[in-house]
Amino acid sequence: DGGITQSPKYLFRKEGQNVTLSCEQNLNHDAMYWYRQDPGQGLRLIYYSQIVNDFQKGDIAEGYSVSREKKESFPLTVTSAQKNPTAFYLCASSIVVGGDSPLHFGNGTRLTVT
Amino acid sequence: GESVGLHLPTLSVQEGDNSIINCAYSNSASDYFIWYKQESGKGPQFIIDIRSNMDKRQGQRVTVLLNKTVKHLSLQIAATQPGDSAVYFCAENMGTGANSKLTFGKGITLSVRP
Repeated sequence: DGGITQSPKYLFRKEGQNVTLSCEQNLNHDAMYWYRQDPGQGLRLIYYSQIVNDFQKGDIAEGYSVSREKKESFPLTVTSAQKNPTAFYLCASSIVVGGDSPLHFGNGTRLTVT
Repeated sequence: GESVGLHLPTLSVQEGDNSIINCAYSNSASDYFIWYKQESGKGPQFIIDIRSNMDKRQGQRVTVLLNKTVKHLSLQIAATQPGDSAVYFCAENMGTGANSKLTFGKGITLSVRP
C-alpha cells in the first residue's frame, strides 16, 4: 500500500529547541516537498528536492533545514531561528519535480512550540 | 487542535443536493489545475485535475470546469454526502518544466446539512 508517512502526528517543543519532522515515501517518487499550513491560509512551500542529495529553498525557507540522503526520506528540521514555528506541516511527493503532475500528501505533523 | 478550515469562507449545502465550489486563479498562462479535499487533521487528498487544453473533465460524482477567459475553475459535486464535508482548495501550475510549481488557493469549507 503505497503512500507517504509523516511522524509524529503531534509534536510539542519548547522555544529555542530544534525539532525534526520525519517524512518517508514508498511511491518511488523522485520529488519531495515540505509545506506549511496555517489556519485560513493556503499551503506555503518551505523546501523541495528533485533528487537525492539535492534540495532547493521554497518561498519560506528561513529557519528550516532539510536533507535528502535517501530517495525515500526527506526530513525537515525546524530550528530555533524560525520565528513562528507553530503550524501544521505537510510533506508531499510527485513523480518528477515541477507543477504539472499532482502532489501526493502525507497526513501532516502538527507542531506546537511554547 | 485548530482546524485549517478556520477563517475560510463556508458553503453549506443540503445532503443530496449538488455542490459547486469556485476558484479564481491568478495566472492566465497556468496550464494545469488540481482540486484537493482536506478533512480535519489530515493531508490534502487529490480529487481531480484538468489541463488547459480542456474545459471540462468528469470523475466519479465530480466534475471540474475550466473557463480560461475569466480565469475561473469550479468543482461540482453531485448528490453531496456527509462524507464530502471538508476543506476544498484548488491549485494552479505556474511556470514551465522543472521550474514550474503548484500554487494553492486558501480553500473553502464545505458543510453538508443532514
